[in-house]
Amino acid sequence: KNQVEQSPQSLIILEGKNCTLQCNYTVSPFSNLRWYKQDTGRGPVSLTIMTFSENTKSNGRYTATLDADTKQSSLHITASQLSDSASYICVVSCSNDYKLSFGAGTTVTVRA
Amino acid sequence: DAGVIQSPRHEVTEMGQEVTLRCKPISGHNSLFWYRQTMMRGLELLIYFNNNVPIDDSGMPEDRFSAKMPNASFSTLKIQPSEPRDSAVYFCASSLGRTEYEQYFGPGTRLTVT
Repeated sequence: KNQVEQSPQSLIILEGKNCTLQCNYTVSPFSNLRWYKQDTGRGPVSLTIMTFSENTKSNGRYTATLDADTKQSSLHITASQLSDSASYICVVSCSNDYKLSFGAGTTVTVRA
Repeated sequence: DAGVIQSPRHEVTEMGQEVTLRCKPISGHNSLFWYRQTMMRGLELLIYFNNNVPIDDSGMPEDRFSAKMPNASFSTLKIQPSEPRDSAVYFCASSLGRTEYEQYFGPGTRLTVT
């Protein structure tokens, strides 16, 4: 069964600090992996999409990494801001069909 | 572009009533997805349309749920009869193609069934 596991479930960091979120998956065959940011009361917004051949992709202060061999991805937030407080969802696509597998998300709280 | 538009934003109804959620995808997108999000289960894909044709509705919970896409600019998700366990946030998303393309989510409809 295709699964996506995220850790930690939640974390609290001080403004200006860095943090790293983890995503492990068993989806096969792999097509792409994306990280979404979901603010409270809003729909998810894509941060990055990575295919098999990509191992790093950045979007401003967000940097995602992908190790397709170990089936692991991480999302690093640099110099966190209060606006980074949100849920971050890892989503993996299977290349056999259109199906997406969703992680449960990591809730990040940035405090002043 | 206004993005994906969903209506209503909030819906409160009594058990047994019919509920209709509406979605207008981004113009030019040929794929449309309906999702449900709850605290317990996270985001779940309910149904996916490509060129207005339902491709896979295996995520639809039961026969009480139905979805239509009569044209490229409009889709509905209907629950009849509604039950308290249907309470959730329902998102619509659209994309230029299947899952290899970026999906753009609407703001969601928060449904509460009492």
